[in-house]
Amino acid sequence: NAGVMQNPRHLVRRRGQEARLRCSPMKGHSHVYWYRQLPEEGLKFMVYLQKENIIDESGMPKERFSAEFPKEGPSILRIQQVVRGDSAAYFCASSPGVREQFFGPGTRLTVL
Amino acid sequence: GENVEQHPSTLSVQEGDSAVIKCTYSDSASNYFPWYKQELGKGPQLIIDIRSNVGEKKDQRIAVTLNKTAKHFSLHITETQPEDSAVYFCAALYGKLTFGQGTILTVHP
Repeated sequence: NAGVMQNPRHLVRRRGQEARLRCSPMKGHSHVYWYRQLPEEGLKFMVYLQKENIIDESGMPKERFSAEFPKEGPSILRIQQVVRGDSAAYFCASSPGVREQFFGPGTRLTVL
Repeated sequence: GENVEQHPSTLSVQEGDSAVIKCTYSDSASNYFPWYKQELGKGPQLIIDIRSNVGEKKDQRIAVTLNKTAKHFSLHITETQPEDSAVYFCAALYGKLTFGQGTILTVHP
């Protein structure tokens, strides 16, 4: 039973470019969460999605960031016009319900 | 609001000793408290969790205790081994997980 998959594992972008991060949840999991981890810091919640619905986006910056979880395919976290402050590790977690969350290996975004 | 405080920020022990990490939470609305272990360059790994209707839970060398009245919960690792060295995060569930700041545990051989 494969775990949560994230790709790419490492992503380098120049300022102003777009970053797309993908997350495939564990089989049978319909709940997806995105978290951001800045260097030397803990994990901060960004957004919670179920299939085709955003349930809670209270942790998402109001501009440049968006997320989706389509009926088919992986969840996507999209960052437009990246800035250096967006450099971080982005983790996706999936859950079969509303408690246990299982994390993927993360995407480490570096903005030059 | 939802806030989780974790202590200590760093913990250094000798192999075979016990390690204890403590967390407090502000909002009693949470009923689920997981602990995660994160190794360098990897994602957080769920190692144990506890629900609010239980006071203690144990899994081999790892145990978690919960005091709902005082709003704190602790992770206990016994007979520590060098491979236990990692960053440990506590969390409380408020729809989404609110994490503590993390504890860097180093187990010296």
